[in-house]
Amino acid sequence: AQTVTQSQPEMSVQEAETVTLSCTYDTSESDYYLFWYKQPPSRQMILVIRQEAYKQQNATENRFSVNFQKAAKSFSLKISDSQLGDAAMYFCAYSVGGSNYKLTFGKGTLLTVNP
Amino acid sequence: DSGVTQTPKHLITATGQRVTLRCSPRSGDLSVYWYQQSLDQGLQFLIQYYNGEERAKGNILERFSAQQFPDLHSELNLSSLELGDSALYFCASSVRRGGPTSTDTQYFGPGTRLTVL
Repeated sequence: AQTVTQSQPEMSVQEAETVTLSCTYDTSESDYYLFWYKQPPSRQMILVIRQEAYKQQNATENRFSVNFQKAAKSFSLKISDSQLGDAAMYFCAYSVGGSNYKLTFGKGTLLTVNP
Repeated sequence: DSGVTQTPKHLITATGQRVTLRCSPRSGDLSVYWYQQSLDQGLQFLIQYYNGEERAKGNILERFSAQQFPDLHSELNLSSLELGDSALYFCASSVRRGGPTSTDTQYFGPGTRLTVL
């Protein structure tokens, strides 16, 4: 079974600083996709960034970037210039390519941003 | 705003009752997924529909069922409710972008918070 592990239940960062959230996954599939979702106090699930496993280049979305290490099955999220609005629960998720793209989620990392 | 709508936002009911949660996907999206988020189980995939047909099942209880209608909206029916069914239920939708290496990125609705008393 595919699993996603987020080893940091909580993290904190000072405003304007950089923080990295860790994620590892276990799979025997070759065609898969990785995602980071953000869940603020409103409980809305918001897509932050996605990575296709076949792409070697790390995905970047503005202040958010990933470090995708396929051999190590690691997919960390770096948030640069942290803002108060970045405070949220962050979920790493995985899906397998094909007809069904159901998401398997990690347990989440609660990020606090200190002013 | 993801474009996915869910109703109702909150639902409070009693054990043994039956409820229906409704989801309208983003315009043009053919796939609808249902997820349950609870404190003890985290975020779990329940079921997926694609263009009206069931495509995949996850950890969905037999007391739960779903369907997708011709207009592509979906309903999740929960019956014989138990205290442990209290959770946040999300609907997500996606569209296939085509090609052998396409990926379905899922966009989530705001969720329905179900409280079973």
